[in-house]
Amino acid sequence: DGGITQSPKYLFRKEGQNVTLSCEQNLNHDAMYWYRQDPGQGLRLIYYSQIVNDFQKGDIAEGYSVSREKKESFPLTVTSAQKNPTAFYLCASSRGTGYYEQYFGPGTRLTVT
Amino acid sequence: GNSVTQMEGPVTLSEEAFLTINCTYTATGYPSLFWYVQYPGEGLQLLLKATKADDKGSNKGFEATYRKETTSFHLEKGSVQVSDSAVYFCALTRSGAGGTSYGKLTFGQGTILTVHP
Repeated sequence: DGGITQSPKYLFRKEGQNVTLSCEQNLNHDAMYWYRQDPGQGLRLIYYSQIVNDFQKGDIAEGYSVSREKKESFPLTVTSAQKNPTAFYLCASSRGTGYYEQYFGPGTRLTVT
Repeated sequence: GNSVTQMEGPVTLSEEAFLTINCTYTATGYPSLFWYVQYPGEGLQLLLKATKADDKGSNKGFEATYRKETTSFHLEKGSVQVSDSAVYFCALTRSGAGGTSYGKLTFGQGTILTVHP
């Protein structure tokens, strides 16, 4: 079955450490996205990528970095510069950008203490 | 800029009750509108969508009609089940001419629905 996988489901890190969240899709989608979800809030876009080797900042990119070396993969690194990294992180993909619906992975809950 | 406003939650209903979750939006041009559902501890699933005015999206007994005149996309279901308990998100997307909003989904804050037997 095609889909999006995110690993791990739960991640714990000490403050000051960088951490990389994995996102893989086998849907042959061109576009991929990273969102952050905080309790009681909607999702906020961190970064998105329309094609391989290209990505753009979303609304809250500070303290995060991404790469898109392969069509299937879009890892997100939460750096020590991110002031409030504890959150639920969701990866999504779509056939293209624009009007295409986005399909979401199961999410990674990151806790930084 | 674009924005989505959903009714305040949480919403608590008895099984077989009628559900309405209000959603209004602000956007330039002609957005596509979506409802996503999130079950506890999981990612979001697309529930339904509408891409132009007067379109009705429907899935699993849920419906929503794209009303351009009232800039609304209210979610309805005639008879809810306990299994419908989840968080519901209204969202929109459109392509900006300069590419700045290209592909970006703008979400409402989400509405928690709890259905009791």
